[in-house]
Amino acid sequence: DVKVTQSSRYLVKRTGEKVFLECVQDMDHENMFWYRQDPGLGLRLIYFSYDVKMKEKGDIPEGYSVSREKKERFSLILESASTNQTSMYLCASSVLLGGSGIDTQYFGPGTRLTVL
Amino acid sequence: KQEVTQIPAALSVPEGENLVLNCSFTDSAIYNLQWFRQDPGKGLTSLLLIQSSQREQTSGRLNASLDKSSGRSTLYIAASQPGDSATYLCAAMGYNFNKFYFGSGTKLNVKP
Repeated sequence: DVKVTQSSRYLVKRTGEKVFLECVQDMDHENMFWYRQDPGLGLRLIYFSYDVKMKEKGDIPEGYSVSREKKERFSLILESASTNQTSMYLCASSVLLGGSGIDTQYFGPGTRLTVL
Repeated sequence: KQEVTQIPAALSVPEGENLVLNCSFTDSAIYNLQWFRQDPGKGLTSLLLIQSSQREQTSGRLNASLDKSSGRSTLYIAASQPGDSATYLCAAMGYNFNKFYFGSGTKLNVKP
């Protein structure tokens, strides 16, 4: 079974703090994604990565950065957390489109981040 | 940009009813269309995947259809049970890096 794990289920931080959210997948997937999920807005893509050290902006990258130093690990960084970044953060991974495996995304359990 | 819409936003039905959840998308150039289930406070679990060349997929009491020409997909749940209570999300996958475009979901409550 594919497993995607996230470092924390719940996190509380203060405004201005630097926040790291970690995601690890164990299926040697090329693609990794970070989403945030807010009521009524659905899942919105923040950043994704299709290879080590490669990253692409999603729909809402402002206020975030990412790091992918190893294939299995994709980190989301909030440089200076703000209250409007309070949200559920979901990580996902997938194979290359049309590559071996099923073209779907496998999701982690999510991190509920509260910024006070 | 692909826009995905789900109607209704919430649905409450008595146990045993058959029900249909709707999903519409604006760009028919999709690689596949998927339905996910999300339980409160948890991640997403894939339910059904329909490739762009397919019309429907079935898994147990679930049946998903796809009509690319009209930009619509439906998820049919037969003989609903309280354990089906969850939020159901549809997502259209584009050809670019497996990117998903998600609807905002339908929150289903099946009453015993």
